[in-house]
Amino acid sequence: DAGVTQSPTHLIKTRGQQVTLRCSPKSGHDTVSWYQQALGQGPQFIFQYYEEEERQRGNFPDRFSGHQFPNYSSELNVNALLLGDSALYLCASSLGQWPGGYTFGSGTRLTVV
Amino acid sequence: AQSVTQLDSQVPVFEEAPVELRCNYSSSVSVYLFWYVQYPNQGLQLLLKYLSGSTLVKGINGFEAEFNKSQTSFHLRKPSVHISDTAEYFCAVSGSTNTGNQFYFGTGTSLTVIP
Repeated sequence: DAGVTQSPTHLIKTRGQQVTLRCSPKSGHDTVSWYQQALGQGPQFIFQYYEEEERQRGNFPDRFSGHQFPNYSSELNVNALLLGDSALYLCASSLGQWPGGYTFGSGTRLTVV
Repeated sequence: AQSVTQLDSQVPVFEEAPVELRCNYSSSVSVYLFWYVQYPNQGLQLLLKYLSGSTLVKGINGFEAEFNKSQTSFHLRKPSVHISDTAEYFCAVSGSTNTGNQFYFGTGTSLTVIP
């Protein structure tokens, strides 16, 4: 049974560019949450998608947007990349919005140069 | 608002010695509490969680934690550590679905087990 799958694993982008990160949830899960983990910090909540809608959002600018597809997979898009966007981006899936059943992926390491 | 404070950024400990990683939280609502472990270049793995019931929670790899509501703490303990326990440990709090179920993480504690 596959867990949460994220792609790509590593990515290097230039300031000002746009990036798309992808996440496939664990089988049976229908909710996807995205977190940003800067170096030496704990993960910070970006947003959560459930039933193809953004349900909750953390304190991130509109440059961060997302999408959830009918098969429950999700994308995170970041526009106008800044050096400060360099981080590990983690996807977590769950069944509904119940926090007790989160499963995290291994993350996408984004480096902005 | 909810927040988590991990009181120790780095904890060195000798192999087979006991360890305690401290976590305090603040919240105005009922909470769920979690400890995650992160190995280098990997994602987060759940060690244990407190949702309700017994305040002593046992997790994987011999770890346990005790929820103390009066002290708003959820400290992680292991009676005898191994080299393989060297990793970053994160404490997290989440609220009920009515208040948002996103996780609020601490800044992490780096546990280094010394041979």
